[in-house]
Amino acid sequence: GAVVSQHPSRVICKSGTSVKIECRSLDFQATTMFWYRQFPKQSLMLMATSNEGSKATYEQGVEKDKFLINHASLTLSTLTVTSAHPEDSSFYICSASFKGSYNEQFFGPGTRLTVL
Amino acid sequence: AQSVAQPEDQVNVAEGNPLTVKCTYSVSGNPYLFWYVQYPNRGLQFLLKYITGDNLVKGSYGFEAEFNKSQTSFHLKKPSALVSDSALYFCAVRDMMGGNTPLVFGKGTRLSVIA
Repeated sequence: GAVVSQHPSRVICKSGTSVKIECRSLDFQATTMFWYRQFPKQSLMLMATSNEGSKATYEQGVEKDKFLINHASLTLSTLTVTSAHPEDSSFYICSASFKGSYNEQFFGPGTRLTVL
Repeated sequence: AQSVAQPEDQVNVAEGNPLTVKCTYSVSGNPYLFWYVQYPNRGLQFLLKYITGDNLVKGSYGFEAEFNKSQTSFHLKKPSALVSDSALYFCAVRDMMGGNTPLVFGKGTRLSVIA
């Protein structure tokens, strides 16, 4: 149980285009979803926290207009990287939690974004 | 504020030998503590967690960790390392009273098990 999927697993795009990454909780209702970014050989940096039906809370230094997060349902959150640039290339990981899970987070497999 | 320290960037161990990956934490209240493992280009896989109860927690793949409140540590251990254990290991913490706030991660420790 408690499986989280991400799609796509890998995406390559041209500079200036927008890319949408989906995060789905497959067998539970995710009251909260988190988006992380990971640079090579570094730890996970939290980008934002989203609760279903409300606006995401972004961490300091994360541009809200560049990284659009939508948590439209209890099983789906999307991260859209708008007008992507090469410096946005990274590994993006989502996680989800639900009430009663001892606040444990269940992680998706990650999405590798490469911006040319 | 919550924080996690993994003092070692890299740990090398011979196959068959015991391994330890260190983690210390700081929270204002009581902690929830987690260990995750990450293989190249993959997401995080859950290994084990400490919520309450027994200080020695057993997890997946033969790993275990001991919660030490006085030393604010949660070191990951395995009695006999395998080459397949080579990966990046992350310790994470959150405050038990922190509501649904996200986990805070350490910087990670790369474990290399040599045959």
